[in-house]
Amino acid sequence: QLQLQESGPGLVKPSETLSLTCTVSGGSISSSSYYWGWIRQPPGKGLEWIGSIYYSGSTYYNPSLKSRVTISVDTSKNQFSLKLSSVTAADTAVYYCAHSQWLGAFDYWGQGTLVTVSS
Amino acid sequence: EIVLTQSPGTLSLSPGERATLSCRASQSVSSSYLAWYQQKPGQAPRLLIHGASSRATGIPDRFSGSGSGTDFTLTISRLEPEDFAVYYCQQYGSSPRYTFGQGTKLEIK
Repeated sequence: QLQLQESGPGLVKPSETLSLTCTVSGGSISSSSYYWGWIRQPPGKGLEWIGSIYYSGSTYYNPSLKSRVTISVDTSKNQFSLKLSSVTAADTAVYYCAHSQWLGAFDYWGQGTLVTVSS
Repeated sequence: EIVLTQSPGTLSLSPGERATLSCRASQSVSSSYLAWYQQKPGQAPRLLIHGASSRATGIPDRFSGSGSGTDFTLTISRLEPEDFAVYYCQQYGSSPRYTFGQGTKLEIK
């Protein structure tokens, strides 16, 4: 059974870059059909998909965030990462990493990590 | 972009009752690529239904999904105390790749 765990700073200053890593265990990040995604949830609000990646490096981004988002994968470490640039208070949220098969529904999720944007 | 609208915003029911949650799409969801998630406070969402009507692994059969095109429904046949949570629908067939509804809160009456 896949397990995912987010890691990274819980506090980021405005205008800086938010960086998070998701470590995958219980399976290979390079498995055929496995796609890896980032989803966020502002406090008390709903879910927003940020983007997804395949182990080959193919990426899919939410157009509303595309100009600020980079998702990458490190197969040697079984990890994938999120970078979100030029953050503002509106980017304060719980960030989740998740797995899907063939860009389908997200069936495995990390526990989430709260990132606060504040000076 | 497909916009998903869930109704009602809040549903107040008692254990043992039947819950019916609605998700309406602004345009047709291709190939019924519609999922439902359950989220409890402080937890990650949990996949309940995918492909509009297929239960995810380990999901009790009191949860069922139906619908196609623009109208989808999640039904919980007989509410258990652990079912009170927030429920989200999600489409995963059209650009942007994924969009979520705003959620329905199922609360104990």
